[in-house]
Amino acid sequence: EVQLVESGGGLVQRGGSLRLSCAASGFTFNNYLMTWVRQAPGKGLEWVANIKQDGSEKYYVDSVKGRFTISRDNAKDSLYLQMSGLRAEDTAVYFCARVDADYRFYYYYMDVWGKGTTVTVSS
Amino acid sequence: DIQMTQSPSSLSASVGDRVTITCRASQTITSYLNWYQYKPGKAPKLLIYAASNLQSGVPAGFSASGSGTDFTLTISSLQPEDFATYYCQQSYSSPWTFGQGTKVEI
Repeated sequence: EVQLVESGGGLVQRGGSLRLSCAASGFTFNNYLMTWVRQAPGKGLEWVANIKQDGSEKYYVDSVKGRFTISRDNAKDSLYLQMSGLRAEDTAVYFCARVDADYRFYYYYMDVWGKGTTVTVSS
Repeated sequence: DIQMTQSPSSLSASVGDRVTITCRASQTITSYLNWYQYKPGKAPKLLIYAASNLQSGVPAGFSASGSGTDFTLTISSLQPEDFATYYCQQSYSSPWTFGQGTKVEI
């Protein structure tokens, strides 16, 4: 079964750090671009970061640049999100997702998602 | 950044109703548009990719169309399990952006 399971969420003070993990199973992890998406309370989905298959390229939404780092360990089939300088507005459920594509035209889409892990930043 | 605007933000419907949700991009995104279904506590689910392609395993009652800046998602006959929030998302350029969501409720 293709599956993504996030972990590492919790309660952290403003300015603190947290590392999220995402364990992949049921597919060849290193064949896929991976992403993190979050949903703040009462808000919609927000894309956070992408990482290419070999980890060579990473992309971030402006609001987390310089504070969050996406990484992966293909030997462990795992994706990570290192978060530092946390702010109240980072409070959210964080989802990891697999990115597949129609490579004829590079139509990217998130086809497998985890159930998320909750991060709460207290002030 | 490309802004995605969905309408309506919420709608009330009954089982068996035909439901249409629209999504508008602030600039052309050709067909780089995906649709997702989300229920709280569950993993979001991909419904449609590249504007009109039904993801494997998604019921045929879901369909979508559009290109450029205007897109629609249609549920032909609403089922009880379809009550959820629906999001469009563009992958034309970074940062990828989502619409604000359309909550479909009874």
